[in-house]
Amino acid sequence: GAVVSQHPSRVICKSGTSVKIECRSLDFQATTMFWYRQFPKQSLMLMATSNEGSKATYEQGVEKDKFLINHASLTLSTLTVTSAHPEDSSFYICSARAATSSYNEQFFGPGTRLTVL
Amino acid sequence: DAKTTQPPSMDCAEGRAANLPCNHSTISGNEYVYWYRQIHSQGPQYIIHGLKNNETNEMASLIITEDRKSSTLILPHATLRDTAVYYCIVTKTSGSRLTFGEGTQLTVNP
Repeated sequence: GAVVSQHPSRVICKSGTSVKIECRSLDFQATTMFWYRQFPKQSLMLMATSNEGSKATYEQGVEKDKFLINHASLTLSTLTVTSAHPEDSSFYICSARAATSSYNEQFFGPGTRLTVL
Repeated sequence: DAKTTQPPSMDCAEGRAANLPCNHSTISGNEYVYWYRQIHSQGPQYIIHGLKNNETNEMASLIITEDRKSSTLILPHATLRDTAVYYCIVTKTSGSRLTFGEGTQLTVNP
């Protein structure tokens, strides 16, 4: 149980285009989903926290108008990178926390490798 | 959340126990110790967590010192597939964010 999927796993796009990444909790309901970014040889950096049905909370330095997050249901959150540029190339990882969990374990997706040309 | 300190890298022979230390001297009473690992180019995987008692599951054991200022993650019989970056994270219970440090790169050698 506790499986989180991401789609696509890998995407290459041209500079200036927008890219949407989906994160789904497959066998549990997730009231809270998190989006992280990881550059090569670095640790994960939290970008934003999203709760189902409400606006996402962004970390300092993360542009909310550039990284649009939607968490419309208890099993789906999306991250849209708008007007992507080469510096947005990174490994984007989502995680989900089960609605029924009394602890703080998060279940992570496999990640999406974004390359902006 | 309390800050954690881990060695940047460790090596272990296949089949031996891997003991990964973590210092969290500023941990507060309501904070748990969580361990995650990340195999190269994959999302992190939850391993185990604990408050003050030692914990064991099918993946690992977690030993927390009595003063809770440090802990050790034990993989009893390391395999090559255990090669990963291991993150020790201290955080409160539900609702809190996970702050990832640099972790320990564990390399299991044949």
